[in-house]
Amino acid sequence: EVLLVESGGGLVQPGGSLRLSCTASGFPFSNYNMNWVRQAPGKGLEWVSSISSNNKSIYYADSVKGRFSISRDNAKNSLYLQMNSLRGEDTAVYYCARDDEMQFWLIDYWGQGSLVTVSS
Amino acid sequence: DIVLTQSPATLSLSPGERATLSCRASQSVSTYLVWYQQKPGQAPRLLISDASNRATGIPARFSGSGSGTDFTLTISSLEPEDSAFYYCQQRNSWPTFGQGTKVEIK
Repeated sequence: EVLLVESGGGLVQPGGSLRLSCTASGFPFSNYNMNWVRQAPGKGLEWVSSISSNNKSIYYADSVKGRFSISRDNAKNSLYLQMNSLRGEDTAVYYCARDDEMQFWLIDYWGQGSLVTVSS
Repeated sequence: DIVLTQSPATLSLSPGERATLSCRASQSVSTYLVWYQQKPGQAPRLLISDASNRATGIPARFSGSGSGTDFTLTISSLEPEDSAFYYCQQRNSWPTFGQGTKVEIK
């Protein structure tokens, strides 16, 4: 069974930092491109960042470029999102999501999400 | 970025009725259009990939069609469990989502 479990969310002040982690199981993690997608409370979905299976291709939404950094450790079956200079508009549930094998930006499995709240 | 516009915002229908959801792109996305279903408090679930390919385990009452800029998700005969938000997403370039359509079952 494919499982994606996010951790590291919580309350942080504006300007602060937070690191999200996603632990994957049930599939060969190193074969798959991975993503972070967020959803502000009561709002729609926004793609945040993507990383290829071999770490060679990385993409960011303009809204987080220069502030967020995606990375992965294939030996630990883990995906990360380092979030710096956080703003109120970054408040959202952050989903770790797996791409369909060999396809970019086609999510076939999602984690349950980790809530990040940016507030003073 | 490509803008996806979904309509209607809300669809209220009875069980057994046919639901037709629309997604229009601001420029051509070929057939790189995906549909997801999201129920309250849950993560989204993949329904349809690349305009018309039903994902594994998705009931046959769900179907997708379209190409270029105009796409449709059809639920042929609504079941109570189909009450949810439905989002389209394009993957022809940097991925973007539509704002969603809420399907309510009367």
